[in-house]
Amino acid sequence: AQSVTQLGSHVSVSEGALVLLRCNYSSSVPPYLFWYVQYPNQGLQLLLKYTTGATLVKGINGFEAEFKKSETSFHLTKPSAHMSDAAEYFCAVSDRGSTLGRLYFGRGTQLTVWP
Amino acid sequence: DAGVTQSPTHLIKTRGQQVTLRCSPKSGHDTVSWYQQALGQGPQFIFQYYEEEERQRGNFPDRFSGHQFPNYSSELNVNALLLGDSALYLCASSFPEYYQETQYFGPGTRLLVL
Repeated sequence: AQSVTQLGSHVSVSEGALVLLRCNYSSSVPPYLFWYVQYPNQGLQLLLKYTTGATLVKGINGFEAEFKKSETSFHLTKPSAHMSDAAEYFCAVSDRGSTLGRLYFGRGTQLTVWP
Repeated sequence: DAGVTQSPTHLIKTRGQQVTLRCSPKSGHDTVSWYQQALGQGPQFIFQYYEEEERQRGNFPDRFSGHQFPNYSSELNVNALLLGDSALYLCASSFPEYYQETQYFGPGTRLLVL
């Protein structure tokens, strides 16, 4: 089974500062990779995904993530944090080559943005 | 175009009771997956339905069962509720050709077991 590790359950940044949320996966075969965001009392919204091609992926709301096979990582970044970015962020993977599409999630990182 | 919808939004039950949660997938989607998100945790896969059959199941007991209807909507049933079943239950749907790529999530049903 896949394993996803998100380093840091809580990250705090000032408005305008760089956001860096870390994600590592365990599979020896690179999986499909996803970042989802969850605002309070809401479901999950897809921020971005990597399936194939360019390893730097741009998503919504100014976020981007880079797939690094050698580091088995898919860290999420945003150059300048905004107050509206405060939310919980989940990294997820699914098996490449599987027909099932099951997602394996990390435990999440709560992002706080200070004014 | 309506996204994934779930009902009810909130539910309170007592231990030992049974509960049914409902999900309508995004238009054009035929695959529905259910996830349980306990407080402070990431979502955990319960099972997935495709063509009215359970296609894969996560590490959940048989108390958790489901159904998919011909219109692709789905139900999650939990019997003999335990306190530990308190969680946000999320439904996700996906396109048949792109099930590997993107799952769209509903807002969830928050279940509290007393």
